[in-house]
Amino acid sequence: AQSVTQPDIHITVSEGASLELRCNYSYGATPYLFWYVQSPGQGLQLLLKYFSGDTLVQGIKGFEAEFKRSQSSFNLRKPSVHWSDAAEYFCAVDPPRGSSNTGKLIFGQGTTLQVKP
Amino acid sequence: GAVVSQHPSRVICKSGTSVKIECRSLDFQATTMFWYRQFPKKSLMLMATSNEGSKATYEQGVEKDKFLINHASLTLSTLTVTSAHPEDSSFYICSARDKPGLAGGYNEQFFGPGTRLTVL
Repeated sequence: AQSVTQPDIHITVSEGASLELRCNYSYGATPYLFWYVQSPGQGLQLLLKYFSGDTLVQGIKGFEAEFKRSQSSFNLRKPSVHWSDAAEYFCAVDPPRGSSNTGKLIFGQGTTLQVKP
Repeated sequence: GAVVSQHPSRVICKSGTSVKIECRSLDFQATTMFWYRQFPKKSLMLMATSNEGSKATYEQGVEKDKFLINHASLTLSTLTVTSAHPEDSSFYICSARDKPGLAGGYNEQFFGPGTRLTVL
């Protein structure tokens, strides 16, 4: 079935440590790929997106993500986590449809990031 | 720029009543708006897509008579939960997207802060 999966429901890292959040998708063609962050009781903020081209994408707040076609993955990384990064992180895809995309977003289950002092 | 607001931010209502949630694009014209539902500790589920001036398109499994969506202007969409029941309690989030520009390209969705609905 077509889907987007975030294998890690909850991750805890120490402040200053590196972070990697995993995202895998299952579609016939490469979808448009997104990472969003949601702070408690807040809406979603776009961190970064990938449509095509350079497979390493830089985003806001020091985040980056790497698209790996062979692994159908789009993992989010940050070299050094800050306490303010504690939040819910969602990977999302805009699935392919014909030669374009649907324009809709399908979200993964989300990963809760906890940051230890 | 690209700010989307929702009102109210939280609402408590009695079972059997109807509740209206507003979604507004404050600084751009939203030709398309989306409504999502988010259960506690869960992901966002797309409920419906609304285009200004036309009927909303509902995702499979979403009752269109239960969740009435109106997108009467380029800056406002409303979601009305009719005859609400406790199982309708959830966090409802809208997003808005501008029309594609002349150069084409992808228009991202901008998300509102969400509305917490509690049905007693």
